[in-house]
Amino acid sequence: DAGVTQSPTHLIKTRGQQVTLRCSPKSGHDTVSWYQQALGQGPQFIFQYYEEEERQRGNFPDRFSGHQFPNYSSELNVNALLLGDSALYLCASSLVGATHNEQFFGPGTRLTVL
Amino acid sequence: AQRVTQPEKLLSVFKGAPVELKCNYSYSGSPELFWYVQYSRQRLQLLLRHISRESIKGFTADLNKGETSFHLKKPFAQEEDSAMYYCALSSRAAGNKLTFGGGTRVLVKP
Repeated sequence: DAGVTQSPTHLIKTRGQQVTLRCSPKSGHDTVSWYQQALGQGPQFIFQYYEEEERQRGNFPDRFSGHQFPNYSSELNVNALLLGDSALYLCASSLVGATHNEQFFGPGTRLTVL
Repeated sequence: AQRVTQPEKLLSVFKGAPVELKCNYSYSGSPELFWYVQYSRQRLQLLLRHISRESIKGFTADLNKGETSFHLKKPFAQEEDSAMYYCALSSRAAGNKLTFGGGTRVLVKP
């Protein structure tokens, strides 16, 4: 099991463009959460997907949207990119009902907005 | 609202010295507290959780509900402990999302 995988590793976009980031959860996991980590800060929760629906959302604008597919993989979409969207985007997977609420993280996608 | 504070951005200690990373939180319900670690060029990974009350790699952390703290301690730091450490809070009532502190970089000098 490769664990949580994310693609691409790095991405460079310009202001106003749109971007899609992808995540495959750890085998056996059914829940995917997305986090934004700006330089020098801790990760901030964006939203969480379970059963192909957005279950929770953090304090992020509607420009941030997502999707979960039947195989539990997920996408994060960001429209109308701003310079401030430059960050490391982390995906984490977990299993609903697990004894411990452990989330497993992917390596992240580094997004640079110019 | 959930909030986690790590007051130290950087902790520099010598090998063999004790190290303590501070974490304070605010949450009105029953929180679950975690410490995550990120070694150089590796992904974020769970170090320990308060529910397990375990010692991992010589680290321990005790949840003090009176002081709303979850400090991480190790009596004898090793060079391989150099990493970024994040304290995080979650709760089933809040849907299991993780709220992270800003992180503390630990540098263990030889």
